[in-house]
Amino acid sequence: GAVVSQHPSRVICKSGTSVKIECRSLDFQATTMFWYRQFPKQSLMLMATSNEGSKATYEQGVEKDKFLINHASLTLSTLTVTSAHPEDSSFYICSARTSGNIQYFGAGTRLSVL
Amino acid sequence: DAKTTQPPSMDCAEGRAANLPCNHSTISGNEYVYWYRQIHSQGPQYIIHGLKNNETNEMASLIITEDRKSSTLILPHATLRDTAVYYCIVRVGNSGGYQKVTFGTGTKLQVIP
Repeated sequence: GAVVSQHPSRVICKSGTSVKIECRSLDFQATTMFWYRQFPKQSLMLMATSNEGSKATYEQGVEKDKFLINHASLTLSTLTVTSAHPEDSSFYICSARTSGNIQYFGAGTRLSVL
Repeated sequence: DAKTTQPPSMDCAEGRAANLPCNHSTISGNEYVYWYRQIHSQGPQYIIHGLKNNETNEMASLIITEDRKSSTLILPHATLRDTAVYYCIVRVGNSGGYQKVTFGTGTKLQVIP
């Protein structure tokens, strides 16, 4: 299957700092990528849809000014958690959609905010 | 997208077939059935998908009932590495438009030695 690379896999930061997470589709172009968040023992929750060359579409309740999404190319989307706080600690996962409409997922980024 | 219902957990003996059911009684004619799994602390992994015919690949088989209101994912010879949460998702399959995968609670499959 297609490969989606997510970096970093783990990040620890101080409260108030910003963290950028990268999501790359390695062997296909993706006009649409997605960002999810997962808390312990819960299912994945869709945060936003990232569309290449246009603004992201955020799900209800997700603060667009706190979770900045940029999809500048057909193979790269980034999620920046701005002014991170301990409650933002979570497992963040990206996915990219192929032309055949299958979503492939990255390995996830575990964010810990101290 | 149609809602799906899965049992919260299942056990399967190693080497035996694991049969994971999914109900999707409100599925529409143009909606596909997708299966993903998530091994602990990893991103979800695509397994298989289908519209109305049974499908098979190197990982699993997907059996969809004739009325399409339910389906079963079959792992023919379960191994300990198949222990994961399995998600059944129904959504429109064409590539046009805004398509997103939303996850329910899935079935936690425990493969037992």
